[in-house]
Amino acid sequence: SQKIEQNSEALNIQEGKTATLTCNYTNYSPAYLQWYRQDPGRGPVFLLLIRENEKEKRKERLKVTFDTTLKQSLFHITASQPADSATYLCALGGNYGQNFVFGPGTRLSVLP
Amino acid sequence: EAGVAQSPRYKIIEKRQSVAFWCNPISGHATLYWYQQILGQGPKLLIQFQNNGVVDDSQLPKDRFSAERLKGVDSTLKIQPAKLEDSAVYLCASSFSRDRRGSRSGNTIYFGEGSWLTVV
Repeated sequence: SQKIEQNSEALNIQEGKTATLTCNYTNYSPAYLQWYRQDPGRGPVFLLLIRENEKEKRKERLKVTFDTTLKQSLFHITASQPADSATYLCALGGNYGQNFVFGPGTRLSVLP
Repeated sequence: EAGVAQSPRYKIIEKRQSVAFWCNPISGHATLYWYQQILGQGPKLLIQFQNNGVVDDSQLPKDRFSAERLKGVDSTLKIQPAKLEDSAVYLCASSFSRDRRGSRSGNTIYFGEGSWLTVV
């Protein structure tokens, strides 16, 4: 069955450092992968989408890589700030509008 | 642009009671989703509508959960009777869908704030 793992349940880093979150998957061939941010008591908010034929995507301080051979995506936040503290979810999509699956999330805490 | 609206925000019920959640998606979004998110886990899709037709309800516990989308806009998710393990956040989401046959480019999904259910 499809399985998505995100590196650890929680990650603590120091302000100003680069946070790296990992999303690994098995038994799935996603056409695209998305990253969402979720704050406590709120719904997830879309951050970035990367397609299977793309290696890397950037948006401001965010960078996502997608390696379909390793079946892994890395999500980087450079120059991290306490305001970046949240849970980050990866989600995989197969065919259009179908089989969209979320990972369990990683709770990131950026310490001042 | 108004976001996805959900109500109620919080609900506490006893087991075996019933509850209903309402969702109003972003205007013009043809696809509507209901997700269940248990504390510490990622959202799990319960049901997906395309306009007022069901696309995927494979993970919906149909013996107790039901959902409808009237006139392809608002949607209601009902649980009857509720069990303790139904305690979770119920997230409604929507996305704009176009007829792109064979497309694998993906849509952004916009979530509401969720309806928190506690079954005691």
